[in-house]
Amino acid sequence: SAVISQKPSRDICQRGTSLTIQCQVDSQVTMMFWYRQQPGQSLTLIATANQGSEATYESGFVIDKFPISRPNLTFSTLTVSNMSPEDSSIYLCSVGGPPGGYTFGSGTRLTVV
Amino acid sequence: KNEVEQSPQNLTAQEGEFITINCSYSVGISALHWLQQHPGGGIVSLFMLSSGKKKHGRLIATINIQEKHSSLHITASHPRDSAVYICAAREGNQFYFGTGTSLTVIP
Repeated sequence: SAVISQKPSRDICQRGTSLTIQCQVDSQVTMMFWYRQQPGQSLTLIATANQGSEATYESGFVIDKFPISRPNLTFSTLTVSNMSPEDSSIYLCSVGGPPGGYTFGSGTRLTVV
Repeated sequence: KNEVEQSPQNLTAQEGEFITINCSYSVGISALHWLQQHPGGGIVSLFMLSSGKKKHGRLIATINIQEKHSSLHITASHPRDSAVYICAAREGNQFYFGTGTSLTVIP
């Protein structure tokens, strides 16, 4: 299965600023997924990113707040824009699908102060 | 009502104990996944099940499709097993995640 390198692993940011999270995959993958895990909650899908097309956002998430880039089949970024303390979460990327299964990144623990 | 319910929410065990974590789901599934989340937040995929039983080392996962229930068992638990275990029901590429079971294994 694919190996994902996710950066940064953690960050503490000031409110009103933006943070870009990167995921690099060691093989070409069609679909990449971005998740948010708020404290004490389960994972929630933010968007699905396919190379060469606009990301598809889930209900409650908008492109202005969480712009995503997918310039090629091995790389994607998620930006958390104009951050507030409510954005403090773990953010994860994921790739894969049947039959090989799914791989998740190591997570980015974001704290907004 | 959540599509995926896990129990228990928290679990403390002595090293060497046999551990069971249960998962019930209400959606139709392509597969059922068990994930392990480490304190830093990273997630490792443990099992992907569509029927029966799978074993990997000291970990065993079972699923009963008719009853929409899955269990994760850890035999001879060890402190390094301490983590959050997440059950996720998948329909196509759509995941429904449980809220996780926080396991602490005491030496």
